[in-house]
Amino acid sequence: DVKVTQSSRYLVKRTGEKVFLECVQDMDHENMFWYRQDPGLGLRLIYFSYDVKMKEKGDIPEGYSVSREKKERFSLILESASTNQTSMYLCASSFMAMRDTQYFGPGTRLTVL
Amino acid sequence: RKEVEQDPGPFNVPEGATVAFNCTYSNSASQSFFWYRQDCRKEPKLLMSVYSSGNEDGRFTAQLNRASQYISLLIRDSKLSDSATYLCVVTRSYSSNTGKLIFGQGTTLQVKP
Repeated sequence: DVKVTQSSRYLVKRTGEKVFLECVQDMDHENMFWYRQDPGLGLRLIYFSYDVKMKEKGDIPEGYSVSREKKERFSLILESASTNQTSMYLCASSFMAMRDTQYFGPGTRLTVL
Repeated sequence: RKEVEQDPGPFNVPEGATVAFNCTYSNSASQSFFWYRQDCRKEPKLLMSVYSSGNEDGRFTAQLNRASQYISLLIRDSKLSDSATYLCVVTRSYSSNTGKLIFGQGTTLQVKP
């Protein structure tokens, strides 16, 4: 069974703090993704990576950065958290970018006060 | 206009009913199509891929109409356990081997006893 894990289920941070969200997958997948999910807006892609040290901007990269130093790990970084970054963050991985299933982690509910 | 549009619902149906969800997409270059299912406070999971010829998986039937840029999901003999949000997903490619999934905001189904 594919397993995608995320470092925290719930996180509360203050405005201006630097926030790290970690994602690990155990299936040797090439591609990893970070989404945020908000009511009425659905899932929106923040960043994705199709190889180690490679990254591509998604639809809403502003205010975020990512790091992929190892194949199994993809980190999302909020350099200076703001209240409008309060959201559910979902990590996913897939073998092929488009045609293969994306497997999601359980999500991190981030609240920025 | 959103790239993938769905009626958010909710659709409230009795057990045993047949229910259909529709989805439209705006990018005619989209190549792959999927339905994902998301239970309350859980991560999305692949329900089924959608092929031009139509495909069936037990009580679930998916159809694709490329000319009209329209995808449908039919659920027959609804069960209480079918209650969830159903996400319509299409692909957008960047190159021959990279691309991403575009998610609709989801249609919520509530099956009542």
